[in-house]
Amino acid sequence: DADVTQTPRNRITKTGKRIMLECSQTKGHDRMYWYRQDPGLGLRLIYYSFDVKDINKGEISDGYSVSRQAQAKFSLSLESAIPNQTALYFCATSDLQGREETQYFGPGTRLLVL
Amino acid sequence: AQSVTQLGSHVSVSEGALVLLRCNYSSSVPPYLFWYVQYPNQGLQLLLKYTSAATLVKGINGFEAEFKKSETSFHLTKPSAHMSDAAEYFCAVSEDTPLVFGKGTRLSVIA
Repeated sequence: DADVTQTPRNRITKTGKRIMLECSQTKGHDRMYWYRQDPGLGLRLIYYSFDVKDINKGEISDGYSVSRQAQAKFSLSLESAIPNQTALYFCATSDLQGREETQYFGPGTRLLVL
Repeated sequence: AQSVTQLGSHVSVSEGALVLLRCNYSSSVPPYLFWYVQYPNQGLQLLLKYTSAATLVKGINGFEAEFKKSETSFHLTKPSAHMSDAAEYFCAVSEDTPLVFGKGTRLSVIA
């Protein structure tokens, strides 16, 4: 089984709808991240969490919210989806050892907002 | 603030030719540097990382990268390209978490 899983893998929704993307991990890592990937723009950080009680905004948090339900689960919500939120969304986890941190990525969720 | 610049959004090489993907970083402290690879319809996979132990870092699938502080570079190389190397490659830097990614370089390998 994959260490970092994302559901759904693909989603089509309409403008104005609320949707939730879910991420689960079995790596036992405290740190979790949500990124979006757009062609030519690389990965941009939306939100991150260093533990269950810690939530931080990233570079592009407007229009998104998150919930860290447990160490293993980190959900991303689009409260009212808009077409420019069409993108590939990745969840990642990491384990900090000293200053060294390596991130491990899920397979991604492809979202289309009509 | 930390940042990464990847030169060339698309690189095309012939099978068997040298692969060179360029990455320059900006960091106010000694950084940690990473290369990730993304194959079609997959997530990102760690290729290699520099954590100050050695300037020449070897990764998976025959790739390696050299940290050059004087040039603030961390270029990725492979002596002989294979068709299976066709993917998108991302350089990333971390002074402190979270990682900051470059915009990516798409590598095409021509038979």
